[in-house]
Amino acid sequence: ETGVTQSPTHLIKTRGQQVTLRCSSQSGHNTVSWYQQALGQGPQFIFQYYREEENGRGNFPPRFSGLQFPNYSSELNVNALELDDSALYLCASSPDSSPLLSEQYFGPGTRLTVT
Amino acid sequence: QQPVQSPQAVILREGEDAVINCSSSKALYSVHWYRQKHGEAPVFLMILLKGGEQKGHEKISASFNEKKQQSSLYLTASQLSYSGTYFCGTEGIGDDKIIFGKGTRLHILP
Repeated sequence: ETGVTQSPTHLIKTRGQQVTLRCSSQSGHNTVSWYQQALGQGPQFIFQYYREEENGRGNFPPRFSGLQFPNYSSELNVNALELDDSALYLCASSPDSSPLLSEQYFGPGTRLTVT
Repeated sequence: QQPVQSPQAVILREGEDAVINCSSSKALYSVHWYRQKHGEAPVFLMILLKGGEQKGHEKISASFNEKKQQSSLYLTASQLSYSGTYFCGTEGIGDDKIIFGKGTRLHILP
């Protein structure tokens, strides 16, 4: 059983550019959530996908968007990057349609630096 | 509303006990606990649900006071491997997301 994987590990972008981060869920998991974690802070919920549909969203602007594919892998897209977008981006998968009632398995994250 | 964790940091010697607290201003449906080691992904420890149900690892102990919107994580006979940052995440009643606190840094000395 493979765990949650994310790519790339690190990324440096310039303000105003666009970025796509990828996540491969743990086998058998149909729900994925994305989080932004600033240095020294807890993860902040961006959004969640269940069976390819957005199933909840945190307080992030529309330039943060996502996709979930039929194989339950997922993408996080961020447009018009700002300096404050620099953070660790974590994805987490869970086996349940109610992930709030089950444990989430986190990937190692993508460290995004915006200059 | 982000839950408040206390203490912010704690240093223990191996074998000592610790309690980490999590408090919310909202009525809660569930509380989630995760541990994150430096440079690693958060790892699930426990979920505590309104009504008393708990899901988690056998060696982890926690409580959830629904009336006070507070939860505590109990680490007994601490081991070096317990070092890391502990996050509580809360789900308010009627919400559909988990909001994590800023974390409690735990360092265990040999």
